[in-house]
Amino acid sequence: DVVMTQTPVSLPVSLGGQASISCRSSQSLVHSNGNTYLHWYLQKPGQSPQLLIYRVSNRFSGVPDRFSGSGSGTDFTLKISRVEPEDLGDYYCLQSTHFPRTFGGGTKLELK
Amino acid sequence: EVQLQESGPGLVKPSQSLSLTCSVTGYSITSNYWGWIRKFPGNKMEWMGYISYSGSTSYNPSLKSRISITRDTSKNQFFLQLNSVTTEDTATYYCAEEKWYYFDYWGQGVMVTVSS
Repeated sequence: DVVMTQTPVSLPVSLGGQASISCRSSQSLVHSNGNTYLHWYLQKPGQSPQLLIYRVSNRFSGVPDRFSGSGSGTDFTLKISRVEPEDLGDYYCLQSTHFPRTFGGGTKLELK
Repeated sequence: EVQLQESGPGLVKPSQSLSLTCSVTGYSITSNYWGWIRKFPGNKMEWMGYISYSGSTSYNPSLKSRISITRDTSKNQFFLQLNSVTTEDTATYYCAEEKWYYFDYWGQGVMVTVSS
């Protein structure tokens, strides 16, 4: 299975500040069709995961432009600018290029 | 908008079968893919498998022959059965719609504890 390594595990931030989360895969996530299937989710306390970014850099419907995704191959980053209270929670990356789909271990975004 | 809701027992005895239902509204399960994902205590997440719009299935090899996903299109529901459960199957189970290789809508999750 493709191993997804997320860092850091915990990320203290100040409201209004910026956060950056890394996700590295044990194999390239470029599919044979040329697409890269790396996605980002946020799970707020007591809620189910919600899709933020799909295919590396595409914001899902309703996701504010404070969230941005980038990267290629095996190295990907989620950036959150101007952190707001509703951004706090657990962030996960997911790869669906290779079978089976695998998730990163998660990053807890919390207040400093 | 698509809405999904899981239901099923919250407590299952070891060696028995875990059975969950996902009820879908706002979209037909005869389109797209419909999957099960679980989150373990400690936050690890695992994709379990899906059933497609045509009824074909795909499962995580880690679950070997213990898993079965089926559906009832007349009720717009799909189901998870996990056999021979152990305490390591204790988790929160989510159903989700999968579109273009990502899960866009999720249920609220159901916590299942395996304990005697």
